[in-house]
Amino acid sequence: SQTIHQWPATLVQPVGSPLSLECTVEGTSNPNLYWYRQAAGRGLQLLFYSVGIGQISSEVPQNLSASRPQDRQFILSSKKLLLSDSGFYLCAWNSGFPKETQYFGPGTRLLVL
Amino acid sequence: GENVEQHPSTLSVQEGDSAVIKCTYSDSASNYFPWYKQELGKRPQLIIDIRSNVGEKKDQRIAVTLNKTAKHFSLHITETQPEDSAVYFCAASSHSGAGSYQLTFGKGTKLSVIP
Repeated sequence: SQTIHQWPATLVQPVGSPLSLECTVEGTSNPNLYWYRQAAGRGLQLLFYSVGIGQISSEVPQNLSASRPQDRQFILSSKKLLLSDSGFYLCAWNSGFPKETQYFGPGTRLLVL
Repeated sequence: GENVEQHPSTLSVQEGDSAVIKCTYSDSASNYFPWYKQELGKRPQLIIDIRSNVGEKKDQRIAVTLNKTAKHFSLHITETQPEDSAVYFCAASSHSGAGSYQLTFGKGTKLSVIP
């Protein structure tokens, strides 16, 4: 069966510091991968998605970037964190057409101080 | 792009009563509609989904209905229990130009079941 991992689980970082969050999926090949951010008490905002290695689409202009160096690895990065980057970061995957269901990882809770 | 509206934003019901959450979508090409439950501090979990070729789907105490003509779909929870308390998100799927499906989420409904 498929499993999705995210790390770290929690992170406290100072403003201006770099960021690297990692997501990996097991038990499937060539998944579609997604990064979402959820501010406290709010909905899910799609940040990036990827249909394959090296293919990244960005949904909103922002301070963040994403990379997909391997088929089942998705990384979210920032060179300099802002206070507004605080939130719950969720990675999700699906197996692509015709299956559209997305399954979420456990998330990383980021606090920028 | 797709736009999903979800109502109400908060809902309180007595244990044993029914709860209904409603969503509308804008893109008539959307054909897949999942519902997620998110408990405090946890990841969203899929609880039920429906495709546009089906009008209703049930899974024990949970049901989803879809009116494709009116572009709205609803989640129905019967005989609510305290463990049903959570935030519920509806979503609609649309096909992106990059060969991927994207989900557009509603803003969520915080359901509280009062014992």
